[in-house]
Amino acid sequence: SQTIHQWPATLVQPVGSPLSLECTVEGTSNPNLYWYRQAAGRGLQLLFYSVGIGQISSEVPQNLSASRPQDRQFILSSKKLLLSDSGFYLCAWRRLAAQETQYFGPGTRLLVL
Amino acid sequence: GNSVTQMEGPVTLSEEAFLTINCTYTATGYPSLFWYVQYPGEGLQLLLKATKADDKGSNKGFEATYRKETTSFHLEKGSVQVSDSAVYFCALIMGYSSASKIIFGSGTRLSIRP
Repeated sequence: SQTIHQWPATLVQPVGSPLSLECTVEGTSNPNLYWYRQAAGRGLQLLFYSVGIGQISSEVPQNLSASRPQDRQFILSSKKLLLSDSGFYLCAWRRLAAQETQYFGPGTRLLVL
Repeated sequence: GNSVTQMEGPVTLSEEAFLTINCTYTATGYPSLFWYVQYPGEGLQLLLKATKADDKGSNKGFEATYRKETTSFHLEKGSVQVSDSAVYFCALIMGYSSASKIIFGSGTRLSIRP
């Protein structure tokens, strides 16, 4: 069966510090991968998605970047965090099949102070 | 473009009450439809899905029927429990390409009183 991991679970960082969040998927090959942000009490905002190694599509201009160095690894980064980067970050994967659903990781809660 | 609209929350009910959370969609074709649930502090879990008109998805006592004529996918449960307190997201996906993306509604927070 497939599983998706996110690390770390919780992170408190000062403004201006760098960020690296990791997402890994097990039990599948060549998945589509997604990063979402969820602000407190709000819906989901799609940040990035990737259809393959080194292929990143950005949905919104922002302070963050994403990379996919391996087939089942997706990394969300920032060189300098802003207060507005605080939120709950969710990674998701999807099989490349007709209208297949997405499966989500447990999330990383980021607080920028 | 494609979109999902769900009823605004929060929805507060007493235990054993009947639940309906409305969801309607706009799509230029025949999407697959989903309900996800997010418990406090956790990621989203797929609750149920329906891939074609008149399909009924069901799981954990929840049901939703894909109604093409009304473009709706309302979530229902006959008797809610305190443990059902969570945020519920309606979603759709269109298309068969690798770039197809899921469109989520804004979420409905459900609180159940004992």
